[in-house]
Amino acid sequence: DAKTTQPPSMDCAEGRAANLPCNHSTISGNEYVYWYRQIHSQGPQYIIHGLKNNETNEMASLIITEDRKSSTLILPHATLRDTAVYYCIARYNQGGKLIFGQGTELSVKP
Amino acid sequence: SQTIHQWPATLVQPVGSPLSLECTVEGTSNPNLYWYRQAAGRGLQLLFYSVGIGQISSEVPQNLSASRPQDRQFILSSKKLLLSDSGFYLCAWSRQNYEKLFFGSGTQLSVL
Repeated sequence: DAKTTQPPSMDCAEGRAANLPCNHSTISGNEYVYWYRQIHSQGPQYIIHGLKNNETNEMASLIITEDRKSSTLILPHATLRDTAVYYCIARYNQGGKLIFGQGTELSVKP
Repeated sequence: SQTIHQWPATLVQPVGSPLSLECTVEGTSNPNLYWYRQAAGRGLQLLFYSVGIGQISSEVPQNLSASRPQDRQFILSSKKLLLSDSGFYLCAWSRQNYEKLFFGSGTQLSVL
């Protein structure tokens, strides 16, 4: 699975969009980009995943660059409850193990 | 719907004592099962995963072992706990060849 790089921390004002970047320059053609988040002292929660096209669900949007070397997770209207560590992971979509990096600690502030 | 149960929520054990953490999944069959550990202030580390009964893959050498005696039951064990075994232990499941992992609520283990 390709290595991903994320900033260790970010701040966002409540009500504004939170844009979390992720670099995955060595990603292969059939590796998906996954995003999870972990609120303190809880298990991680799946957010979204994609391969090439941009994706949107009720939680967030995922924008993947055309060369697939980076992506951005967008929380359109961040709330205080979005404060968490966000993990970007590249993996083959064939089951098996999911390897977490250090993630980005997002702090949403009033 | 599917649910995952993990217990206990917190555990304090002396060094050298045994450990048994249990995880069960309901509402699905033949899931992939995982044990992760998170040391304080650090990322999640995959310890074990299983694709079927009796099939265990270990990711890192350590003082722990895992077993899968039934399809939807995953157990993490140790014969003698070390101080370094302290951490937040998470069980997770996914469907076979499916992308999403669903995590339990975790066990905070303190070895003193």
